[in-house]
Amino acid sequence: KAGVTQTPRYLIKTRGQQVTLSCSPISGHRSVSWYQQTPGQGLQFLFEYFSETQRNKGNFPGRFSGRQFSNSRSEMNVSTLELGDSALYLCASSLGVTPPNEQFFGPGTRLTVL
Amino acid sequence: QKEVEQDPGPLSVPEGAIVSLNCTYSNSAFQYFMWYRQYSRKGPELLMYTYSSGNKEDGRFTAQVDKSSKYISLFIRDSQPSDSATYLCAMSANTGNQFYFGTGTSLTVIP
Repeated sequence: KAGVTQTPRYLIKTRGQQVTLSCSPISGHRSVSWYQQTPGQGLQFLFEYFSETQRNKGNFPGRFSGRQFSNSRSEMNVSTLELGDSALYLCASSLGVTPPNEQFFGPGTRLTVL
Repeated sequence: QKEVEQDPGPLSVPEGAIVSLNCTYSNSAFQYFMWYRQYSRKGPELLMYTYSSGNKEDGRFTAQVDKSSKYISLFIRDSQPSDSATYLCAMSANTGNQFYFGTGTSLTVIP
């Protein structure tokens, strides 16, 4: 069974630009969550989608947005990039939303903002 | 104060040692507790998943949860060089898939 895939794996952007990251969950998984990982803050929850609906949202500015498609694939978008947005962005998929749920992570997209 | 606190280390131990990794938390609503292992340039992989207080053992790994003290631990017996990685604790309340992570402890097992 294929794992969670994320594209692209690496991105370099400049301040003020916008970026879109993509995540394909494990086949049959309907929940996708996004996290930002930085050395100082660790993994911080961005948002979660289930059946194309955002269920939970972390404490990030509105520049961070996401969506989920009918095939459960998800995208996240960051507009007006800032230097502090440089991070590893991780996507995780789960079967559903009723605990306990195992989350399976992808390899991440490493974003560098110059 | 962060909801989950974890000593970042780094922790360096000789091969065969017993390793103890710990996290504390402040939110008494947390009921689900997980430990992930993350190798360099990879995504986290789930090691252990426990619900509420108690112990859970899986091979060389034992997870302990003490909800009264808001303290969780992961023990690794007979540590191997392949255990060298960053270990992340994570926890959630009964609110779907919103997980709160510690910042991770870097572990090196020296042959």
